[in-house]
Amino acid sequence: QQQVKQSPQSLIVQKGGISIINCAYENTAFDYFPWYQQFPGKGPALLIAIRPDVSEKKEGRFTISFNKSAKQFSLHIMDSQPGDSATYFCAAGIQGAQKLVFGQGTRLTINP
Amino acid sequence: NAGVTQTPKFRVLKTGQSMTLLCAQDMNHEYMYWYRQDPGMGLRLIHYSVGEGTTAKGEVPDGYNVSRLKKQNFLLGLESAAPSQTSVYFCASSFRQGGNQPQHFGDGTRLSIL
Repeated sequence: QQQVKQSPQSLIVQKGGISIINCAYENTAFDYFPWYQQFPGKGPALLIAIRPDVSEKKEGRFTISFNKSAKQFSLHIMDSQPGDSATYFCAAGIQGAQKLVFGQGTRLTINP
Repeated sequence: NAGVTQTPKFRVLKTGQSMTLLCAQDMNHEYMYWYRQDPGMGLRLIHYSVGEGTTAKGEVPDGYNVSRLKKQNFLLGLESAAPSQTSVYFCASSFRQGGNQPQHFGDGTRLSIL
């Protein structure tokens, strides 16, 4: 019940296209859903996060869509650029808890 | 402001050898974490600490020990390295409980066990 399932494992998108990565969870107590971006040779870095009181959060070209009833959330990258090529991790956490649960990661490649 | 610094960046060990990975953070964060990253497995929590002098087990603690003698440092030890411990190890820290706070990661230690 503590798992977060992420798909796809890898994704190739043409420059200018929309990249979509999906995550699903079981534990309805989760109330914090961040996405992390990791470039080769670097550690993950927080990209954007959402809490379940809203269905969507947008920051620039990055949008999180959240579906509480389906227990799913997704990351959309609009106008994808080669510089967006990275591994993306979704995660879920609970306020007051001590740790996050991470998805398996998605390797995104944006072809020029 | 360096953030989270991990040393060493790379290391090759022979089976049975021991070593210590060092993590240092300069953000005065209370919480610190050690993860391992393996292909297709995401980030798995090894051990974590909620403050100086405290440690707790994560989901994959076997074969590892940790210590947090100073607030800014979190050490991960391998007493007798095994090939299954070949991985990339990441340290992270957060200001408060990591369950709903941003975690700040170091750039990792790439460890190979032969």
